[in-house]
Amino acid sequence: EIVMTQSPLSLPVTPGEPASISCRSSQSLLLSNGYNYLDWYLQRPGQSPQLLVYLGSNRASGVPDRFSGSGSGTDFTLKISRVETEDVGIYYCMQALQVPYIFGQGTKLEIE
Amino acid sequence: QITLKESGPTLVKPTQTLTLTCTFSGFSLSTSGVGVSWIRQPPGKALEWLALIYWDDDKRYSPSLKNRLTITKDTSKNQVVLTMTNMDPVDTATYYCARRRAITVSSTAYWFFDLWGRGSLVTVSS
Repeated sequence: EIVMTQSPLSLPVTPGEPASISCRSSQSLLLSNGYNYLDWYLQRPGQSPQLLVYLGSNRASGVPDRFSGSGSGTDFTLKISRVETEDVGIYYCMQALQVPYIFGQGTKLEIE
Repeated sequence: QITLKESGPTLVKPTQTLTLTCTFSGFSLSTSGVGVSWIRQPPGKALEWLALIYWDDDKRYSPSLKNRLTITKDTSKNQVVLTMTNMDPVDTATYYCARRRAITVSSTAYWFFDLWGRGSLVTVSS
């Protein structure tokens, strides 16, 4: 079973400032087709999770371009170029390579 | 508009069997490239994937819970049902159903959870 580790677990950010979340997997999520099987989800307070990024770096439909995913193999990063108040919530990475699909512990982004 | 909604008991006793229903609209589970999954979240904790059923009735389960889970679909009713046996207080969680959809990227199929229900809180207590 693949283990997913996120850091930091808590991320206080001033609006307008950038933010960065790290996600590490215990085995490579890069397949021979050149794609990384890694998704990012955001769970806003009191809401269900929503897809932000798939294949490591592809923004889902309707996701603002201030969000960007990067990385390959076992190390991934989700960056927010300029945090807005609506970005508050818990961010999860998830390995989509194999069953069982495993989520990271979550990173709670708060506004300072 | 595509929606998913979970329904079921809010309270179950230890050792009982939990039955949850996901009723969806706006898509069909008889369409190729579609699946529905169950994912849970204990209070204040992270998400945990449980089970998945595809349009062709292929099923996948979390190995740690496989002996307790059964996922089925009723295409005519647009429903997916999850049963979990021998419930324990540690199973207290919000249970979500989510659509798993495939897209094609450079001739490769990639699956993701693109739509989620609002969740159903299940408490296990005597």
